[in-house]
Amino acid sequence: DADVTQTPRNRITKTGKRIMLECSQTKGHDRMYWYRQDPGLGLRLIYYSFDVKDINKGEISDGYSVSRQAQAKFSLSLESAIPNQTALYFCATSDPDSSYEQYFGPGTRLTVT
Amino acid sequence: QKEVEQNSGPLSVPEGAIASLNCTYSDRGSQSFFWYRQYSGKSPELIMSIYSNGDKEDGRFTAQLNKASQYVSLLIRDSQPSDSATYLCAVKLRAGSYQLTFGKGTKLSVIP
Repeated sequence: DADVTQTPRNRITKTGKRIMLECSQTKGHDRMYWYRQDPGLGLRLIYYSFDVKDINKGEISDGYSVSRQAQAKFSLSLESAIPNQTALYFCATSDPDSSYEQYFGPGTRLTVT
Repeated sequence: QKEVEQNSGPLSVPEGAIASLNCTYSDRGSQSFFWYRQYSGKSPELIMSIYSNGDKEDGRFTAQLNKASQYVSLLIRDSQPSDSATYLCAVKLRAGSYQLTFGKGTKLSVIP
């Protein structure tokens, strides 16, 4: 089984809809991250969390919110989706004892029409 | 100046050749450096990490770090068509920050 899983893997939604992307991990890592990837713009950090009570904004948090339900679960929500949120979304985890190496989930391809 | 820079490519090399991928970074205080491989439509996969000046070898991959020049590179020896992918350089830029900053990636194509 994969160490980091994301659901759904693909999603098409309409402008204005609320959508939640979920991430679960079995690596036992404390740190979790949400990124989006756009052609030509690379990976950009949306939010990150170091434990259940610690949530931090990344480079591009506007229009997004997160919830860390447990050490193993970190969800990303788009409260009112807009077309420019169409992107590939990745969850990642890291272990503070492993010098910042991050391990990525398989990604969610989100299309907002 | 962009914080982590890579040539976007594409970089084309013949099968069996050495592919050389380069990355520069802006923060002289950076201490942790990573190379990820990403196949089209897939997630980034960590292939190398390097923390000290010099070379680090792992199989066909060699990472090279020169902190004085703020430069990190990845060499792939005996390149194979299966190495064709986008290679992302990631840097932990600032002391006290736990974030990685990624370059936009270099697309490598290995020609059979």
